[in-house]
Amino acid sequence: KAGVTQTPRYLIKTRGQQVTLSCSPISGHRSVSWYQQTPGQGLQFLFEYFSETQRNKGNFPGRFSGRQFSNSRSEMNVSTLELGDSALYLCASTPGLQLYEQFFGPGTRLTVL
Amino acid sequence: SQKIEQNSEALNIQEGKTATLTCNYTNYSPAYLQWYRQDPGRGPVFLLLIRENEKEKRKERLKVTFDTTLKQSLFHITASQPADSATYLCATHNFNKFYFGSGTKLNVKP
Repeated sequence: KAGVTQTPRYLIKTRGQQVTLSCSPISGHRSVSWYQQTPGQGLQFLFEYFSETQRNKGNFPGRFSGRQFSNSRSEMNVSTLELGDSALYLCASTPGLQLYEQFFGPGTRLTVL
Repeated sequence: SQKIEQNSEALNIQEGKTATLTCNYTNYSPAYLQWYRQDPGRGPVFLLLIRENEKEKRKERLKVTFDTTLKQSLFHITASQPADSATYLCATHNFNKFYFGSGTKLNVKP
């Protein structure tokens, strides 16, 4: 099976812009979770989608949003970018019924200038 | 909410020795704990899962223990190799939300 893929791998934006990141889960996996990883804060949970519905949400401002499509692919959007949004954004998929082992993608490295 | 704590200081050990990493959790006892390995610039990779009713779990050179009294999990790598050098993350979940520790960087020197 192909692993979790994320596009793009690298992205440079300026403050105030918005960005959309994409994640394709492992075939058959219905749950996709998004994380932000920074050196200071570690891996922080953003949100989780299952069958096109947001099942849970972390403690991030409303500028961070996401969605999931019928084929389980997911997108994450960050509006009005701030310097502090520079991070590695990771998505992970699981079959979905219960959250056990998560399969992570390689991440998207976002740099905000 | 759950909080997962790992030693933020890097662990430096000699090749062939056993590396022991610690994960402590606060609040409620999780149903299970997971351990992941992460290499620089890459996503974490799942290694082991241990349930609260399991004292110990093994996989090749890896061993994980779970002590609900101490609210702690220990992760051991025996006969460590330079290729084991990476950051190791501990994680648990509650109500469809995962909580990760900040990870401990392991350096195995030849």
